[in-house]
Amino acid sequence: SQQGEEDPQALSIQEGENATMNCSYKTSINNLQWYRQNSGRGLVHLILIRSNEREKHSGRLRVTLDTSKKSSSLLITASRAADTASYFCATEEGTGRRALTFGSGTRLQVQP
Amino acid sequence: DAGVTQSPTHLIKTRGQQVTLRCSPKSGHDTVSWYQQALGQGPQFIFQYYEEEERQRGNFPDRFSGHQFPNYSSELNVNALLLGDSALYLCASSPPNTGELFFGEGSRLTVL
Repeated sequence: SQQGEEDPQALSIQEGENATMNCSYKTSINNLQWYRQNSGRGLVHLILIRSNEREKHSGRLRVTLDTSKKSSSLLITASRAADTASYFCATEEGTGRRALTFGSGTRLQVQP
Repeated sequence: DAGVTQSPTHLIKTRGQQVTLRCSPKSGHDTVSWYQQALGQGPQFIFQYYEEEERQRGNFPDRFSGHQFPNYSSELNVNALLLGDSALYLCASSPPNTGELFFGEGSRLTVL
């Protein structure tokens, strides 16, 4: 079953614009992670935010986490055509359990 | 330093057959997890191996089994294949004490 649900399912923007993707989840979590997947390939880890953190930055990425609303957002600033991919949020439940529950993903298309 | 490697990359089987997929984790990683990703969906957790034992299991039938070897490499076996088993099978490894997963490029299984 999918724990996280990403919104929107698909997003198309122009190069240079910012892209925002949202994720909602259902249970208590240890951490939330964002992954990127180019078409039909393996997933690449982008960023991990722990349940006691509210915001985290990595390069052009900014992630927020609101545990009271059970939601997270991923912001990609100054997007590039190379950012075109599917983006998934994944939650790790409890402590010591390293199985991740993934959402259904947001397909991002960045037009050059 | 090689990343996570999986073999084979593509394979075609018929209903009722059995398949074995293989995974070599990234150097220094002791935990291997397997995920199934249907087309257009997020990955779903199958099981996780640590110290040659299955530590966690997702909602998959007993037809799905696995093994981890002393060198931390792993196999995923699926018996009595069904059409619905057609998917991308992803292996992910993780180092001790972190939640981040490193994924291989996957094995794409088609069941006819």
